[in-house]
Amino acid sequence: SAVISQKPSRDICQRGTSLTIQCQVDSQVTMMFWYRQQPGQSLTLIATANQGSEATYESGFVIDKFPISRPNLTFSTLTVSNMSPEDSSIYLCSANLGLAEETQYFGPGTRLLVL
Amino acid sequence: QQQVKQSPQSLIVQKGGISIINCAYENTAFDYFPWYQQFPGKGPALLIAIRPDVSEKKEGRFTISFNKSAKQFSLHIMDSQPGDSATYFCAAITSGTYKYIFGTGTRLKVLA
Repeated sequence: SAVISQKPSRDICQRGTSLTIQCQVDSQVTMMFWYRQQPGQSLTLIATANQGSEATYESGFVIDKFPISRPNLTFSTLTVSNMSPEDSSIYLCSANLGLAEETQYFGPGTRLLVL
Repeated sequence: QQQVKQSPQSLIVQKGGISIINCAYENTAFDYFPWYQQFPGKGPALLIAIRPDVSEKKEGRFTISFNKSAKQFSLHIMDSQPGDSATYFCAAITSGTYKYIFGTGTRLKVLA
């Protein structure tokens, strides 16, 4: 399976600041996804990022809060803007890879703590 | 109708025993059902997946059983080992939508 990497792996941020998380896939993929996983909880899809088009956001998530870039077929960024302690979470990117188009592989996650 | 209900929330099994995690869904349009394994501090890793045209799929010690009429599927971990201690998520998706619906997760602890 392909490798998906994320940077940073963890960060501690002050409220009101912004953090940009990077996701790199070692092969070209059409779709990339950003998820949030709060401690001890399941995964919640934030948005779907296609190269060359605007990201599609899920209910409860807005572009002003979570702007996403997808400059090419192997890379995407998610920015968590104007952070508050409620944004403390694990942020995961994933991509459709493998023989089955439905199969998503996940990066290792970015652990964010907002003080 | 978009939910996937997963149980139990937590599970403790003795080494060598069988771990069983169950999931149920309502949306009959779902046609791909993966299971993910997540260790603390790591991203979810695809474990095994099944489509509704088969009733069972086995990979090593991991087996998915699928009951289409009951809209249920389960993960069986045979000969459970302490290294299997992790959180397991079931998921469901309709082909072409690219949107997974995840279960709530099961925290498995295998005692040595």
